[in-house]
Amino acid sequence: SFELTQPPSVSVSPGQTASITCSGDELGGKYACWYQQRAGQSPVLIIYQDTKRPSGIPERFSGSNSGNTATLIISGIQAMDEADYYCQAWDDNNSFVFGTGTKVTVL
Amino acid sequence: QLQLQESGPGLVKPSETLSLTCSVSGGSIFTSDYYWGWIRQPPGKGLEWIGRIYYSGYSFYNPSLRSRVTTSLDTSRNQFSLKLSSVTAADTAVYYCARVYCSGNDCYLDHWGQGTLVTVSS
Repeated sequence: SFELTQPPSVSVSPGQTASITCSGDELGGKYACWYQQRAGQSPVLIIYQDTKRPSGIPERFSGSNSGNTATLIISGIQAMDEADYYCQAWDDNNSFVFGTGTKVTVL
Repeated sequence: QLQLQESGPGLVKPSETLSLTCSVSGGSIFTSDYYWGWIRQPPGKGLEWIGRIYYSGYSFYNPSLRSRVTTSLDTSRNQFSLKLSSVTAADTAVYYCARVYCSGNDCYLDHWGQGTLVTVSS
């Protein structure tokens, strides 16, 4: 079955850049999206179709997808960006597949 | 502004059926533009997709849950529902409803409810 693997945690200082990877077999041939889940809240879509940002999502969030890896970049990270981040793709069995999740800590 | 709100019992006994409803406001569920989905998250763990339903009533389910899941629509109330049978403690989770956008070979969840915790315990 199709699986998506993320690093369990990423730590970064305020104002720096956080990079979160999402690895899956030939993921670059599919679309990836990303969700942000702050503590105690429901997930929010922040990137869809690899690189697009929904209305209201800050420009400091960006995405890419190539080969076996999709990447979420948070530039100039702020304290409010501390959250869990999940990637997601759509597999050949008409199923959502979520990544394992990454906890981002802003030091 | 689209809003989704889950409702249902917070406690279900083992072997019984979990039933949840998602009430949608700010848009109609009777539309060919979107699906309507269910996702769950066990305490302290990641997200798991459960299933999605189209306005026609056609549903797709997670293969690992397919034998126990049923989804339905009530267009008169602008609600959709989830039933999960024969529950065990492993089904304890926060359950989310969401709007699903699909285009070609891509689907994503663009609006989520706030989630409701369902605990399976006797």
